[in-house]
Amino acid sequence: EAQVTQNPRYLITVTGKKLTVTCSQNMNHEYMSWYRQDPGLGLRQIYYSMNVEVTDKGDVPEGYKVSRKEKRNFPLILESPSPNQTSLYFCASSLLGSPLHFGNGTRLTVT
Amino acid sequence: QKEVEQNSGPLSVPEGAIASLNCTYSDRGSQSFFWYRQYSGKSPELIMFIYSNGDKEDGRFTAQLNKASQYVSLLIRDSQPSDSATYLCAVSNTDKLIFGTGTRLQVFP
Repeated sequence: EAQVTQNPRYLITVTGKKLTVTCSQNMNHEYMSWYRQDPGLGLRQIYYSMNVEVTDKGDVPEGYKVSRKEKRNFPLILESPSPNQTSLYFCASSLLGSPLHFGNGTRLTVT
Repeated sequence: QKEVEQNSGPLSVPEGAIASLNCTYSDRGSQSFFWYRQYSGKSPELIMFIYSNGDKEDGRFTAQLNKASQYVSLLIRDSQPSDSATYLCAVSNTDKLIFGTGTRLQVFP
């Protein structure tokens, strides 16, 4: 089944404890992206990648890192999480210029 | 001015009616337009996409695009309670996809 898989679905952590949210797609998509969604602010892009080893900042990259060492994987790294990074996170992928396919989301709480 | 604007709603319509959802965008260079449906706590799912001026129909859904007015809309015919969700408009130029904040639709029996 074609899908974008994010893990974990739920994560509660404490300020400053490094964490990684994984994202994997099995559709051979070049384009991958991370979004966060907050009430009243909609989906905001954190980082995106047009292909392997190519990553670019989105609208809200501060406090996040990504890597794209393989085509299928695009992990999101929070080196030192803070409470303002509490949010619902979505990974998405697509062929270039085509509609996005979203993962099921990761609800992150930072205390 | 926001790049992609939607009325947050809620838009309430009775079952069987036509729901009309609207979206305006600021970048005249935008080329691709998408409508996603998102149930509470779930991921967005693609409903429609449109690239050219005019109407595009798919089942009960019709997307309408007017590039001169920088306006894209989604019509849902014969609305059902299961259509109750937040509808996200997304607009793309060559390298950037921007989402609106969404319109919450409520279909009551």
